[in-house]
Amino acid sequence: DTGVSQDPRHKITKRGQNVTFRCDPISEHNRLYWYRQTLGQGPEFLTYFQNEAQLEKSRLLSDRFSAERPKGSFSTLEIQRTEQGDSAMYLCASSWEGVAYGYTFGSGTRLTVV
Amino acid sequence: AQTVTQSQPEMSVQEAETVTLSCTYDTSENNYYLFWYKQPPSRQMILVIRQEAYKQQNATENRFSVNFQKAAKSFSLKISDSQLGDTAMYFCAFMMVRAGGTSYGKLTFGQGTILTVHP
Repeated sequence: DTGVSQDPRHKITKRGQNVTFRCDPISEHNRLYWYRQTLGQGPEFLTYFQNEAQLEKSRLLSDRFSAERPKGSFSTLEIQRTEQGDSAMYLCASSWEGVAYGYTFGSGTRLTVV
Repeated sequence: AQTVTQSQPEMSVQEAETVTLSCTYDTSENNYYLFWYKQPPSRQMILVIRQEAYKQQNATENRFSVNFQKAAKSFSLKISDSQLGDTAMYFCAFMMVRAGGTSYGKLTFGQGTILTVHP
């Protein structure tokens, strides 16, 4: 297992288009998290899953954002009708629920909306 | 709600010297973890060190150590013998923990401190 994988690494899209990102967590981890990081800032929590269940969603996650983790393995984050303000790095991370040792992060997907 | 504040947007240090990055947080919780993460340019975020709030002893990992002052809600990171590879953005982060050790999941991050190590 090589860690948390995110695809694509970079995405440029036109305003109004829909985009979808994928995250493959470490296989032994039952929790998967999505964060958004704008340039020069700390990551902001969006949502997280424990197995298939989405346990918490931030109010940052507007109705244009949806995340799924259908089989408790990989997850997708979709943004509909993208806006320029959606331009950011979208980070995925995974962990095991039983210990609070911190996450393993992926390398992120950088979204640019033009 | 928890907040994490890093008041130093940028810091610099000469190679082999020591530097301290500051972090304060605000919470009404008693059971939590604190973390320092390192994010090198264009690379993924990695865990540097963690501190359990119930432990009085400050955590140490090789050249990295923390000064945890629970009453003051302060959590600084000291990097000794700085190396060029320490150049990165450093984030302080907070996580609530349930009794028994399972986490609530969500990390709250500070704004980050850009550390540059000069040769």
